[in-house]
Amino acid sequence: AQSVAQPEDQVNVAEGNPLTVKCTYSVSGNPYLFWYVQYPNRGLQFLLKYITGDNLVKGSYGFEAEFNKSQTSFHLKKPSALVSDSALYFCAVRRGGNKLTFGTGTQLKVEL
Amino acid sequence: SAVISQKPSRDICQRGTSLTIQCQVDSQVTMMFWYRQQPGQSLTLIATANQGSEATYESGFVIDKFPISRPNLTFSTLTVSNMSPEDSSIYLCSVEESVGLRGFSGNTIYFGEGSWLTVV
Repeated sequence: AQSVAQPEDQVNVAEGNPLTVKCTYSVSGNPYLFWYVQYPNRGLQFLLKYITGDNLVKGSYGFEAEFNKSQTSFHLKKPSALVSDSALYFCAVRRGGNKLTFGTGTQLKVEL
Repeated sequence: SAVISQKPSRDICQRGTSLTIQCQVDSQVTMMFWYRQQPGQSLTLIATANQGSEATYESGFVIDKFPISRPNLTFSTLTVSNMSPEDSSIYLCSVEESVGLRGFSGNTIYFGEGSWLTVV
């Protein structure tokens, strides 16, 4: 079985500061990992994914994520947060079959 | 990425009624999925909509409650039957990107804007 954990329900960061949203996974074999963002009253938007290759993956809106196999983590990062980044962020894993398994989500709040 | 349109975007439904949600994609896609997001919760896969055959349902979801149609490669419907307040959720249609190997788990899944249902 595959699973994803997002240990923080909410992350608060000041605008201009770096942000990190944490994600750890459990899956047999090599994982395919994804990050999605959900703005208020909207559907999910794809940010980035890791399949293979370089452990640092770059995505939309200046976000990046670092795959760490030994720690089974795929943390989402951004060097300088914006107020407009405030949203709900979901980490997900997909391996075998077609099922995308989501974490519980992390609410990011960026304040001035 | 594919453009995914869902109808209705929002609705308030009476207990005991049924509602059909439509999902239209602007390109042909092999894999379509239906997810549910209950208030304040994460997303749960309801079923995979297969073109020309029965949908494949996840544990805890049954065809009588959530019948799905997939008449072609660009369209699918999800019906929420005999609704109760516990069915109040966001229902999201999603598709697998058409570029890439068919059935490859590294293919990206894209989501529509969702259908926000409230059952009273």
